[in-house]
Amino acid sequence: GAVVSQHPSRVICKSGTSVKIECRSLDFQATTMFWYRQFPKQSLMLMATSNEGSKATYEQGVEKDKFLINHASLTLSTLTVTSAHPEDSSFYICSARTSGRAEQFFGPGTRLTVL
Amino acid sequence: AQSVTQLDSQVPVFEEAPVELRCNYSSSVSVYLFWYVQYPNQGLQLLLKYLSGSTLVKGINGFEAEFNKSQTSFHLRKPSVHISDTAEYFCAVSDSGGSNYKLTFGKGTLLTVNP
Repeated sequence: GAVVSQHPSRVICKSGTSVKIECRSLDFQATTMFWYRQFPKQSLMLMATSNEGSKATYEQGVEKDKFLINHASLTLSTLTVTSAHPEDSSFYICSARTSGRAEQFFGPGTRLTVL
Repeated sequence: AQSVTQLDSQVPVFEEAPVELRCNYSSSVSVYLFWYVQYPNQGLQLLLKYLSGSTLVKGINGFEAEFNKSQTSFHLRKPSVHISDTAEYFCAVSDSGGSNYKLTFGKGTLLTVNP
């Protein structure tokens, strides 16, 4: 149980285009979802926290107009990187937790490369 | 605010040897503690967690960790490692009284198991 999927696993796009990444909880209701960014050989950096049906809460320094997060249902959250630039290239990982449980379950990640 | 210090960035060991990965945390409130493992180009998998109760916690793949409140530590141990344990290990902490249980991660420890 507690499986989280992400799609796509890898995406390459041109500078200036937008990219949408989906995060789904397959066998539980994700009351809270988190989006992280991970640079090579580094730890995870929390970008934002979203509760189902509410606006996401962004961490300091994360541009909310650039990284659009939608958590419209208890099983799906999306991260849209708008007007992507090469510096947005990174490994993006989502996680989810359900009400009453503290632990987060992580998706497999999405490798974004912006040319 | 919380912080996590993983004292060793890299730990090389030989197969079947015991290993300890160290983790210390700092927090002004009660915490929950977690260890996650990340294999290359993948998301994070929960190894074990301490929420309350017994300070010795057993997890998957033969790992265990001990919560030491006085020393603010949560070291991860395994009595005999396998080649397949080679991965990045992250210690994380969250506020036990929080509503979203946001995680603060350490910088990670790369465990390399050599034949």
